[in-house]
Amino acid sequence: NAGVTQTPKFQVLKTGQSMTLQCAQDMNHEYMSWYRQDPGMGLRLIHYSVGAGITDQGEVPNGYNVSRSTTEDFPLRLLSAAPSQTSVYFCASSRTGFGQPQHFGDGTRLSIL
Amino acid sequence: AQKITQTQPGMFVQEKEAVTLDCTYDTSDQSYGLFWYKQPSSGEMIFLIYQGSYDEQNATEGRYSLNFQKARKSANLVISASQLGDSAMYFCAMREAGGGGFKTIFGAGTRLFVKA
Repeated sequence: NAGVTQTPKFQVLKTGQSMTLQCAQDMNHEYMSWYRQDPGMGLRLIHYSVGAGITDQGEVPNGYNVSRSTTEDFPLRLLSAAPSQTSVYFCASSRTGFGQPQHFGDGTRLSIL
Repeated sequence: AQKITQTQPGMFVQEKEAVTLDCTYDTSDQSYGLFWYKQPSSGEMIFLIYQGSYDEQNATEGRYSLNFQKARKSANLVISASQLGDSAMYFCAMREAGGGGFKTIFGAGTRLFVKA
């Protein structure tokens, strides 16, 4: 049971570099989302998707892009990394519906120098 | 706009006692779902309990119960008979269906310390 797989687990970038955080799920979930977790601020929603080809912005979308070409994959792109994007990033998936809990990946710890 | 407020950054409880973690929310939707998740020091997110906005009875899952007061827009988590393994961060979350998006947002969390 792979569930939600995030890669890489750790990454260090220099300011201005770009990179893509990968997220894949094997549960055929329609709904996927990206969060960042910072101390004292909980999990903040970056972008989310309700199905292939459909994405929308969350609470803190600036500096991040997403696309959803398949049901399984939902990559998060940092276009030009900034120190303020140093955080732990979580990808989550669920079936649509109010009562469907999200399944989370193990997170990616990202440091921007 | 959606908003989740958890006013207790940290809480202490004696082992075997009950503890209540507070959560208030703000939404203009009539249909929504409320969740609690646990995050141990290892970092994974664990789903604990769910309450739907139209559910008349409070949700319960083992030692976890959700004290849902719709008029006050509160969804407090009650943990009975606390165990040392309950020491963790706890997050309240809300899902709305505005625009069909099923957007889910989280509160800032409460760190629970269980004392032996």
